[in-house]
Amino acid sequence: EAQVTQNPRYLITVTGKKLTVTCSQNMNHEYMSWYRQDPGLGLRQIYYSMNVEVTDKGDVPEGYKVSRKEKRNFPLILESPSPNQTSLYFCASSPGTGGLEQYFGPGTRLTVL
Amino acid sequence: RKEVEQDPGPFNVPEGATVAFNCTYSNSASQSFFWYRQDCRKEPKLLMSVYSSGNEDGRFTAQLNRASQYISLLIRDSKLSDSATYLCVVNFGGFNKFYFGSGTKLNVKP
Repeated sequence: EAQVTQNPRYLITVTGKKLTVTCSQNMNHEYMSWYRQDPGLGLRQIYYSMNVEVTDKGDVPEGYKVSRKEKRNFPLILESPSPNQTSLYFCASSPGTGGLEQYFGPGTRLTVL
Repeated sequence: RKEVEQDPGPFNVPEGATVAFNCTYSNSASQSFFWYRQDCRKEPKLLMSVYSSGNEDGRFTAQLNRASQYISLLIRDSKLSDSATYLCVVNFGGFNKFYFGSGTKLNVKP
């Protein structure tokens, strides 16, 4: 089944404790992206990647890191999480660059205390 | 000013009604446009892409007006299962960035 998977789905952590949210897609998509969704603000793009080893900042990259060492995986790293990073996070992938439709993972609900 | 703006609603309509949503975008260089559907904080799912000539998929019709910088979604013969939040998404071509509206909530009632 073609899909985007994220882990963990739910996470409660404390300020400053490094964490990684994994994202994997099995569709051989070139483009992958991370978003956060907050009430009233909609989805905002954190980082995106157009291919292996090619990443770029979205609109809200502060406090996040990403890497794209393999085509299928695009982990999101929070080196020192803070309470304002409490949010619902979505990973997405797209068949190519140039503004094609995206396929989303199920989401990760993160709470930072 | 937000890149993409939508009326948050909610739009409360009876089954069988026709309902329309608009979405405005600020960047005239925008190249790709989409409507996504999101159910209760689940992942967004593509409803339809929006083409310059307009497009229709069953009960759903999407239109693009580049001159006025808005896109629209029309839902005919609303079903209970259409209840969801509808997200307008715009892509600024060569920047490979996507901008989402905050969504319009639709409640279809029996």
